[in-house]
Amino acid sequence: QVQLVQSGSELKKPGASVKVSCKASGYTFINHALSWVRQAPGQGLEWMGWINTYTGDAMYAQDFTGRFVFSLDTSVSTAFLQISSLKAADTAVYYCTRSRDETGYPYAFDIWGQGTVVTVSS
Amino acid sequence: DIQMTQSPSSLSASVGDRVTITCQASQDISNYLNWYQQKPGKAPKLLIFDASNLETGVPSRFSGSGSGTDFTFTINGLQPEDIATYYCQQYNNLPGNFGQGTKLDIK
Repeated sequence: QVQLVQSGSELKKPGASVKVSCKASGYTFINHALSWVRQAPGQGLEWMGWINTYTGDAMYAQDFTGRFVFSLDTSVSTAFLQISSLKAADTAVYYCTRSRDETGYPYAFDIWGQGTVVTVSS
Repeated sequence: DIQMTQSPSSLSASVGDRVTITCQASQDISNYLNWYQQKPGKAPKLLIFDASNLETGVPSRFSGSGSGTDFTFTINGLQPEDIATYYCQQYNNLPGNFGQGTKLDIK
């Protein structure tokens, strides 16, 4: 069964860091690019960027440069999203999602993690 | 960045109705357009890719059309389980922006 399983909810204080994991199973991890998508409470979907799971190269959307880092551990088919210097505005559900094809480019997203709720509050 | 404008932002329809949602891109994106369904508390689900291709396992009452800047998503024969928010997304140029969403409920 092809799936992405994300780590659990996080409650953090402003200024702290958080690292969300996304473990893939049921397919060859390095063959499909992985993207991260944010959804703030009651809001729409924001594509944060993507990571080429074969090369490890990452690209970030303009609003997600500086404090956001995508990384991989291909030995365990897992991707990570780390956010530093957390702000209240980072409170959201964060999804990892797989590209449908094997080009290494983020096209259509066919498999999604269940989402990780990150809450930033003092 | 390419901007995606969806309309309407919300709509109510009756079971059995034909429902249409439109998505307009700020520049030509060829057919690089996807449609997703998101139910409350759940991850999005891919329904249509490359503007008109039905994802495996998705009921045939869902369809998509269009190219260039103007796209249409249609549900032929609305079912109660179709209540959700629907998003378009372009991937012609990165970032692959989503539309703002269309919330669909039953009249």
